[in-house]
Amino acid sequence: AQSVTQLGSHVSVSEGALVLLRCNYSSSVPPYLFWYVQYPNQGLQLLLKYTSAATLVKGINGFEAEFKKSETSFHLTKPSAHMSDAAEYFCAVSAPGGYNKLIFGAGTRLAVHP
Amino acid sequence: GAGVSQSPRYKVAKRGQDVALRCDPISGHVSLFWYQQALGQGPEFLTYFQNEAQLDKSGLPSDRFFAERPEGSVSTLKIQRTQQEDSAVYLCASKNTGSSDTQYFGPGTRLTVL
Repeated sequence: AQSVTQLGSHVSVSEGALVLLRCNYSSSVPPYLFWYVQYPNQGLQLLLKYTSAATLVKGINGFEAEFKKSETSFHLTKPSAHMSDAAEYFCAVSAPGGYNKLIFGAGTRLAVHP
Repeated sequence: GAGVSQSPRYKVAKRGQDVALRCDPISGHVSLFWYQQALGQGPEFLTYFQNEAQLDKSGLPSDRFFAERPEGSVSTLKIQRTQQEDSAVYLCASKNTGSSDTQYFGPGTRLTVL
């Protein structure tokens, strides 16, 4: 069985500050891991994904995440927050092989203030 | 190219009514998923199609929920005798057949049952 825990349902940062959104996973097999972003009244957009290649993954809009097997973590970071980063962020896990249905965390709402 | 589209974007139903939600996947995508996203929660898997075959319906919450994809392209999620607890955003996603391929999400249909 697989599961995802996102620590912190709400995170607030100042514009220009570091963004850190936490994700821990549980999986009985080596996982694939994903971060998606959701803007109001829109679908989910993929930020980045880990599929067993490099453990440091770079995504769109300056985001990156590092897969740490020993910590079962896949935290999302961005060095400098922009106002446009305000959105809901979801971490998800799937099992390689098969059809890869996604198991999502509960989400973290990021607020960016001036 | 065109992304995943869903219609209607918003649906209001009276309790007990039947509803049908449509998903148009990205052309050529073999895999199609439906997810349910309750308010303030992450998406939860409902069902999966490979072409016209429904290979996993383990996430459908009750026998009032039915999904089909008769020609391996457009899919319809039908909910019979809607209940208030069915109120949610219903998301459709499609992907190619590669294990690490990205799921692309539509904008969702927001269903409100009164």
